[in-house]
Amino acid sequence: GENVEQHPSTLSVQEGDSAVIKCTYSDSASNYFPWYKQELGKRPQLIIDIRSNVGEKKDQRIAVTLNKTAKHFSLHITETQPEDSAVYFCAASIILEGGKLIFGQGTELSVKP
Amino acid sequence: DAGVIQSPRHEVTEMGQEVTLRCKPISGHNSLFWYRQTMMRGLELLIYFNNNVPIDDSGMPEDRFSAKMPNASFSTLKIQPSEPRDSAVYFCASSFRGSPLHFGNGTRLTVT
Repeated sequence: GENVEQHPSTLSVQEGDSAVIKCTYSDSASNYFPWYKQELGKRPQLIIDIRSNVGEKKDQRIAVTLNKTAKHFSLHITETQPEDSAVYFCAASIILEGGKLIFGQGTELSVKP
Repeated sequence: DAGVIQSPRHEVTEMGQEVTLRCKPISGHNSLFWYRQTMMRGLELLIYFNNNVPIDDSGMPEDRFSAKMPNASFSTLKIQPSEPRDSAVYFCASSFRGSPLHFGNGTRLTVT
């Protein structure tokens, strides 16, 4: 089955700097890669996703890149703000399997003002 | 749209007791997932249903865990008997034909 590895487990940046979180996956059939943000005590919420027919997707300060050959994808947050502090999870799935998502271990991002 | 609704929000029980967690998916969603979140193991997929049918329960840790989905708008996750190591946050999530997964607010289970 699918296995998703996520790095780093913790990341601390200064406000205004960029943050990058990287994930690798094992199942070459996976074709959908979402990123979730989870604030303390709350549920994971989707922030951006990418499908395998796209190499990069951007939404304001957030971007995701995908390298299907290498089976890795990354989340990029630019101009970080204190409210970006949270745990971020990457995930991978095969859409035809009903969206069964396998999550990485999470990255705790801390943005220092 | 009320989103995915889970109950209870918090459950504290003694070891050996039966625990039932409940979930109402978003109306129209045909896939339902139960995840467990702990510090040590992160977000683990326990079981998921498509069109009310269990598809993959390989993540269910032991026979003490069982899940049902009697209709499109309701699912339960039951632990019997509960153990302290079952303490975690249990999330239910739903989606439609591979659309983004929507999570409920979770049930924080504490087994003493």
